[in-house]
Amino acid sequence: DGGITQSPKYLFRKEGQNVTLSCEQNLNHDAMYWYRQDPGQGLRLIYYSQIVNDFQKGDIAEGYSVSREKKESFPLTVTSAQKNPTAFYLCASTQRDRSVRSVNQPQHFGDGTRLSIL
Amino acid sequence: AQSVTQPDIHITVSEGASLELRCNYSYGATPYLFWYVQSPGQGLQLLLKYFSGDTLVQGIKGFEAEFKRSQSSFNLRKPSVHWSDAAEYFCAVGAGYNDYKLSFGAGTTVTVRA
Repeated sequence: DGGITQSPKYLFRKEGQNVTLSCEQNLNHDAMYWYRQDPGQGLRLIYYSQIVNDFQKGDIAEGYSVSREKKESFPLTVTSAQKNPTAFYLCASTQRDRSVRSVNQPQHFGDGTRLSIL
Repeated sequence: AQSVTQPDIHITVSEGASLELRCNYSYGATPYLFWYVQSPGQGLQLLLKYFSGDTLVQGIKGFEAEFKRSQSSFNLRKPSVHWSDAAEYFCAVGAGYNDYKLSFGAGTTVTVRA
């Protein structure tokens, strides 16, 4: 079955550490996204990538970094510069379509990674 | 910039009763609108989307939503709720086909009582 795999499901970070969250998809989708979810808030966009070797900052990119070296992979690094990293992180994807009558917003989501600070 | 308001934080409904979740958006042009559902500890699942055409949109799991431009609303409905519909529901708005970003509402938690 095609889908998005996020790993690990739970992740713990010590102060001053960088950690990397994995996101892999076998849907052959061009566009991938990273969102952060906090209790009582909607999702907020961290980074997104429309195509391999290209990515753009979202609304809350500070303290995070990404890479898109392969179509199926879009890892997110939470750096020590992110002062409040405890959250639920969601990866998403969609097939990219440049035609006017199309939808390029995220339509498939992984099951998320919960990051906590030790 | 676009934004979404979901006025109801929590709704409790009896199994078999109807459900309506409210969503109001702010955007100057014709928006792309979405409803997602999230079960605890899981990712989001797309229920339905609207970007043009018929203003009444049918989705999965028996849900539908109606786009009302005059009220800037995109309310989600289900005629008869099942216990498995207990979850958190998110409304989201995008600015068009070339805008890959979505603005999400804060979500509405639905509890289903027997």
